[in-house]
Amino acid sequence: EVQLVESGGGLVQPGGSLRLSCAASGFTFSRYNMHWVRQAPGKGLEYVSAISSNGDSTYYANSVKGRFTISRDNSRNTLYLQAGRLRAEDMAVYYCARDGFPNFDFWSGYYMDYWGQGTLVTVSS
Amino acid sequence: DIQMTQSPSTLSASVGDRVTITCRASQSISSWLAWYQQKPGKAPKLLISKASSSESGVPSRFSGSGSGTEFTLTISSLQPDDFATYYCQQYNSYSRTFGQGTKVE
Repeated sequence: EVQLVESGGGLVQPGGSLRLSCAASGFTFSRYNMHWVRQAPGKGLEYVSAISSNGDSTYYANSVKGRFTISRDNSRNTLYLQAGRLRAEDMAVYYCARDGFPNFDFWSGYYMDYWGQGTLVTVSS
Repeated sequence: DIQMTQSPSTLSASVGDRVTITCRASQSISSWLAWYQQKPGKAPKLLISKASSSESGVPSRFSGSGSGTEFTLTISSLQPDDFATYYCQQYNSYSRTFGQGTKVE
C-alpha cells in the first residue's frame, strides 16, 4: 500500500524557517518524481514545488522561488521541503504527492496519484 | 503559466441530481487534465486523469470529458458521499496549475 506521511509542520514566526518531511513507503520511491502542494486555510490548492526521481531537477512556483528548497534522500525514502523567510501567506497545509507514473520525464508534467495527509504550517508572531 | 478556471464556484444540488462542473484552460492542454475530490480535512483524491480516464475504484457515476481548453466533470446521480470540493488540474507542462475549486453542497 502506498503511503506518504508528512511531518515537520508547526508554528513559526514571520521570517523564520521550517523543514518539512514526507516519508514514503509501499512503492519504489527512487523511481518517482515527487511534489509539494499547499492549501491555505479555506482556500484552493497551490502547486509549490517538484523534484525529479534522481533529485537532479527541481521546480518552484514563483511564490516560493528563492525561499524554499526541495530535496530528497532516496536511501531514506524521504522527501523534504526547506521553507525559509516564511511569510503570513505561506501559512497552509502542505501535502506531498507522488507522480502518477514512474520515471516520467520531469519537464513534461504528469498528474499526482497519491497524496499524504498534510502537515500544517502556521506563520504568526 | 496556464490558468484554469472552474465554474461554478459553488453548486447546490440534491441526492440523485445530475451534476456538471466545467473547467476551462487559458490555452490548449490537449487532454492533460485531472480531476480531484477533496473532503474537509482530507487530502485530495484522484478521480480522473487524461480528461476522461477514471481511476480504479472510482464509482462509474463520475465521468470526465473534453479536450483542448474546455473540460467537464459529470456526476450522473449525486450520492451523499459526493458532497465535497472538486478541483481540476492541468499537467500539460511541469508548472501544473489547479482550478479554484467547485464546492458541491
